[in-house]
Amino acid sequence: AFHLTQSPSSLSASVGDRVSITCRASQGINSDLAWYQQKPGKAPNLLIYDASRLQSGVPSRFSGSGSGTDFTLTVSSLQPEDIATYYCQHFNSYSVTFGQGTKLEIK
Amino acid sequence: EVQLVQSGAEVKEPGESLRISCKGSGYTFANYWINWVRQMPGKGLEWMGNIDPSDSYTNYSPSFQGHVTISVDKSNSTAFLQWSSLKASDTAMYYCARNLDDYSSSSFGPWGQGTLVTVSS
Repeated sequence: AFHLTQSPSSLSASVGDRVSITCRASQGINSDLAWYQQKPGKAPNLLIYDASRLQSGVPSRFSGSGSGTDFTLTVSSLQPEDIATYYCQHFNSYSVTFGQGTKLEIK
Repeated sequence: EVQLVQSGAEVKEPGESLRISCKGSGYTFANYWINWVRQMPGKGLEWMGNIDPSDSYTNYSPSFQGHVTISVDKSNSTAFLQWSSLKASDTAMYYCARNLDDYSSSSFGPWGQGTLVTVSS
């Protein structure tokens, strides 16, 4: 069965650090990948769609890259408000799959 | 403003039925698929299924097929998620989310605020 594997599962970094989260697909998915941020007690929020396109209103310190099977979400300069869990997602015409999530904490 | 507003929290007993709702506003409801996503306490996101409001065509995750029903009332711009017999393991937060783009294969945006369902005797 198709699956997405995120790494790491958790991450601790300092304010101002450059942080990267990876998402690996079990088979090639072109650029059909999105990234979401979920803050505690809140609904998820779309950050990146089509692997690298920044959703309107999302700070430019967030960026996405990759295609095929390997994808990366990067935060160029970590801010305190970026404390959240991040999920990657693949979608096609009949199914949607989420990665297991990466919990990002501030040191 | 494009918005999805979900119905309030529910507390039910095992075996009871339940229908929760998700009302869209600020856009043409029939043009965008609606998805339902489960999040069990302390766990990740699980896609349950989706519906095309224009014709009520549905897709279900194999994990949820046969246990829930997704439907829509296009005239009231509202999607529904329904159980006929709840289990304690259905205790979770449930989110609806609209497709970002007006076709079946798309990322999600925006999301509803979530409906907490608690099933306990």
